[in-house]
Amino acid sequence: AQSVTQLGSHVSVSEGALVLLRCNYSSSVPPYLFWYVQYPNQGLQLLLKYTSAATLVKGINGFEAEFKKSETSFHLTKPSAHMSDAAEYFCAVSGYNNNDMRFGAGTRLTVKP
Amino acid sequence: DGGITQSPKYLFRKEGQNVTLSCEQNLNHDAMYWYRQDPGQGLRLIYYSQIVNDFQKGDIAEGYSVSREKKESFPLTVTSAQKNPTAFYLCASHLAGEGHWTEAFFGQGTRLTVV
Repeated sequence: AQSVTQLGSHVSVSEGALVLLRCNYSSSVPPYLFWYVQYPNQGLQLLLKYTSAATLVKGINGFEAEFKKSETSFHLTKPSAHMSDAAEYFCAVSGYNNNDMRFGAGTRLTVKP
Repeated sequence: DGGITQSPKYLFRKEGQNVTLSCEQNLNHDAMYWYRQDPGQGLRLIYYSQIVNDFQKGDIAEGYSVSREKKESFPLTVTSAQKNPTAFYLCASHLAGEGHWTEAFFGQGTRLTVV
């Protein structure tokens, strides 16, 4: 079975500062990894995904994530935070056979002016 | 436009009532999921279905039931046995099968409140 752990339920950064949201995964098979964003009272929107191609994945809105097998990590970064980045972010993992998809507990990002 | 639609957006339930949340997709996706979201707990898997007429329990299936009679539809019934049903419910779908992977698409959610 797969699982993910998101370190930090709440991250606060200043506008223009680096955003770093941490995700570690556990999987008995090569994983597919995802980052989603959720705005209040809405569904989840895909930011980016890792599917065993390049280890550095670029997504929408200037976000990117790097798959590090040795560290079982898939941290999300953005060089310069914008006020519109304030939302909740979820890391997710699934196995090759798509048996099911599991999400982390989420990290709420606050961006201060 | 293709997408996944949940209805209603808001739903109120009286104690002891069963209610059904609708989830419909026209993306021709094989797999569909129901998640429950509570503050600070992320998304917890209730049920999922990989093909028509087949579904599996997730981590918190007690007090819920589902059906998958059509590929496009995966309704969730919150029964009176679910003691704390107030939550935000999310439906998702994606293509499934070995070597055939896409990301999940989510509906806009249904907020269920017990009154």
